[in-house]
Amino acid sequence: EAQVTQNPRYLITVTGKKLTVTCSQNMNHEYMSWYRQDPGLGLRQIYYSMNVEVTDKGDVPEGYKVSRKEKRNFPLILESPSPNQTSLYFCASSLLGIPNTGELFFGEGSRLTVL
Amino acid sequence: AQKVTQAQTEISVVEKEDVTLDCVYETRDTTYYLFWYKQPPSGELVFLIRRNSFDEQNEISGRYSWNFQKSTSSFNFTITASQVVDSAVYFCALIPGGSYIPTFGRGTSLIVHP
Repeated sequence: EAQVTQNPRYLITVTGKKLTVTCSQNMNHEYMSWYRQDPGLGLRQIYYSMNVEVTDKGDVPEGYKVSRKEKRNFPLILESPSPNQTSLYFCASSLLGIPNTGELFFGEGSRLTVL
Repeated sequence: AQKVTQAQTEISVVEKEDVTLDCVYETRDTTYYLFWYKQPPSGELVFLIRRNSFDEQNEISGRYSWNFQKSTSSFNFTITASQVVDSAVYFCALIPGGSYIPTFGRGTSLIVHP
């Protein structure tokens, strides 16, 4: 089954404790991206990757890191989480290197709470 | 910079009513792509439609239809004969041509009562 898988789905952590949210897709998609969803703000892109070893900032990259060592994986790293990073996070992928020509396939979301 | 406005925060209808969700966008690009996504209560995001700026033809898919009007910078979504399963948050999004960063609207929560 074609899918984008995120883990963990739910996480409660404390300020400053490094965490990683994994994202994996099995569709051989070139483009992958991370979003955060906050009430009243819709989705905002954090980072995106056009292919292996190629990443770039989205609209709200501060406090986040990403890596793309393999085509299928695109982990989101919070080196020192803060309460304002409490949010619902989505990973998404798209078949083509130019994502605006195709639909985004989203993972199920990861709800992160930083105390 | 791009902007997508979904002025309707929440819409409540009774089953079988028709409902239109508004989406107004701003962009200086002549090439751009518009999308609608559905987020049901389970939380996942589901792609509904993509439209490029050169294709103003309206689209119908079952009970769903989309009206793209460049003259008013709008890409509205109509559900005919709404059903309870249509209850969800609906997001409109825009990506300029050559960009990799979509701009999403804030979403419209649709509640369909039985």
